[in-house]
Amino acid sequence: AQSVTQLGSHVSVSEGALVLLRCNYSSSVPPYLFWYVQYPNQGLQLLLKYTSAATLVKGINGFEAEFKKSETSFHLTKPSAHMSDAAEYFCAVRGNFGNEKLTFGTGTRLTIIP
Amino acid sequence: DGGITQSPKYLFRKEGQNVTLSCEQNLNHDAMYWYRQDPGQGLRLIYYSQIVNDFQKGDIAEGYSVSREKKESFPLTVTSAQKNPTAFYLCASSEGGRGSPLHFGNGTRLTVT
Repeated sequence: AQSVTQLGSHVSVSEGALVLLRCNYSSSVPPYLFWYVQYPNQGLQLLLKYTSAATLVKGINGFEAEFKKSETSFHLTKPSAHMSDAAEYFCAVRGNFGNEKLTFGTGTRLTIIP
Repeated sequence: DGGITQSPKYLFRKEGQNVTLSCEQNLNHDAMYWYRQDPGQGLRLIYYSQIVNDFQKGDIAEGYSVSREKKESFPLTVTSAQKNPTAFYLCASSEGGRGSPLHFGNGTRLTVT
């Protein structure tokens, strides 16, 4: 079964600085990968998804992620952080075999320093 | 607007009482899911349903029950057998394909005292 690891439960960046949130997955074949964002007391909103069409995936709110098979990574980046980016971010993976379910990472809380 | 509606937003119950959380979707999605979210633990799957009148246990189904009598509705009952029911509960739906993302409701925060 696939799994996903998010390095860093808390990340702080200054407003205008680069945002980098890390996600590594374990899967024997390239899986489907997703990034979600959650604002306080709300549900999760899809930021972007990787489904093998292109390794660099662009999402909403200026975020993008690059699928690197050799590193089994799918890190989320944004060139310039905005105060409104403060939220919790979840990486999720679904494998390609049988009836595999979507597995979520434990999340990274992003704080933006003014 | 299409989406998923969870109600109520906040729910308070006494220990030993069963409580039912509502989830309705108008996205015409086949698959629906219930997740439980606790601080620092991410999302854990309770139950899911890929078609009407059928559902499967997720990773933490003990103490919970569901029904799927209509395509648009997937209520979750938290029974008195659930040892630690206080949590944030999220309902989601998807078109059902492997690459289909989940669409989430805004959650129900259940507090049991």
